[in-house]
Amino acid sequence: AQSVTQLDSQVPVFEEAPVELRCNYSSSVSVYLFWYVQYPNQGLQLLLKYLSGSTLVKGINGFEAEFNKSQTSFHLRKPSVHISDTAEYFCAVSAGENKFYFGSGTKLNVKP
Amino acid sequence: KAGVTQTPRYLIKTRGQQVTLSCSPISGHRSVSWYQQTPGQGLQFLFEYFSETQRNKGNFPGRFSGRQFSNSRSEMNVSTLELGDSALYLCASSSVRVSEAGELFFGEGSRLTVL
Repeated sequence: AQSVTQLDSQVPVFEEAPVELRCNYSSSVSVYLFWYVQYPNQGLQLLLKYLSGSTLVKGINGFEAEFNKSQTSFHLRKPSVHISDTAEYFCAVSAGENKFYFGSGTKLNVKP
Repeated sequence: KAGVTQTPRYLIKTRGQQVTLSCSPISGHRSVSWYQQTPGQGLQFLFEYFSETQRNKGNFPGRFSGRQFSNSRSEMNVSTLELGDSALYLCASSSVRVSEAGELFFGEGSRLTVL
């Protein structure tokens, strides 16, 4: 079975500062990795995904993530955040067949 | 194209009642998944349907059930409601197109409150 750990439940950061949201996973098989974002009172929206190939993945809204197989990590980064990035971010893994395992989420709070 | 539509958006029930939630996927999507989201447990996978067949199931009691119709619309039912069933229930659809591999398209959810 797979599992996902997001160590930081909340991350406060000032506008225009860089941010990193951490995600570690455990799996005995090859997995696909995803980051989703959830704005208040909305569903989840895909930010980016890693299926294969280059370990550095670029997504929407200036976010990127790096797959590190040896450390079983898939941390999300943005060099300069905006107020509008305030949301909850979920890391997820899938071993196929549309069965996803989500982390507990990290609430990003961008302050002016 | 229209997104994933979930109805109702909000509902209040009392313990012991049952509830049915509906999900209309994006046109052409044949896979529909259901998730329960709570502050304490996060997002937990309930089940996934593909072409009217349950393909995957999470670790939930038998009170939670679902089905999918020939037009890919899906319903989930929770019987004998408990206080702990209060949650946001999210539906997601997905495509078999390579360009959308692995991507779940979520609805806005049905927020269930059990009193």
